[in-house]
Amino acid sequence: QKEVEQDPGPLSVPEGAIVSLNCTYSNSAFQYFMWYRQYSRKGPELLMYTYSSGNKEDGRFTAQVDKSSKYISLFIRDSQPSDSATYLCAMSAGGYNKLIFGAGTRLAVHP
Amino acid sequence: EADIYQTPRYLVIGTGKKITLECSQTMGHDKMYWYQQDPGMELHLIHYSYGVNSTEKGDLSSESTVSRIRTEHFPLTLESARPSHTSQYLCASSELYSEQYFGPGTRLTVT
Repeated sequence: QKEVEQDPGPLSVPEGAIVSLNCTYSNSAFQYFMWYRQYSRKGPELLMYTYSSGNKEDGRFTAQVDKSSKYISLFIRDSQPSDSATYLCAMSAGGYNKLIFGAGTRLAVHP
Repeated sequence: EADIYQTPRYLVIGTGKKITLECSQTMGHDKMYWYQQDPGMELHLIHYSYGVNSTEKGDLSSESTVSRIRTEHFPLTLESARPSHTSQYLCASSELYSEQYFGPGTRLTVT
């Protein structure tokens, strides 16, 4: 079983929709949670960074962490065609522990 | 502007050739990483460095080697390229252990 599970999609939504992207994980030691956005043929771009449980908001993006359920989410409000990309979750226990990535969810926002 | 650079962006090369993928960062980060990414798959860590003259192998077995003679520079070398090395190679750096910033990637095709 993979340490981090992420639905590969693709997820297709109309412009303006609220998008929910999710990851589950098995390692209860994970404390640092990240969401990356990756456009086709580009490197991943750090979108959101959260430590431990709770919510974090940045513009149209909200990251949620529920450590009791080992579940993290990224919400995108008022989605735009420019949000079309692959979204990767990543997490780490911190210290010298490595970053573990999900396989990514491909999102398409159509006008 | 602080950034992370990778060259070449695309490389098509024949079997048996020696290749070096370049990675440089201007952020002054001590920690640097090389990942391999295949379509629809997780990023796999192949090498990392926590500072000058420090290099370690990652989780994914790789026939490549790395060096870290200068803080800003972390090249990856394949002594004899094979078709199985065809992949996207991503370089990243970080100040903290978890919050990593990625370069644009090198897409390698070995014929």
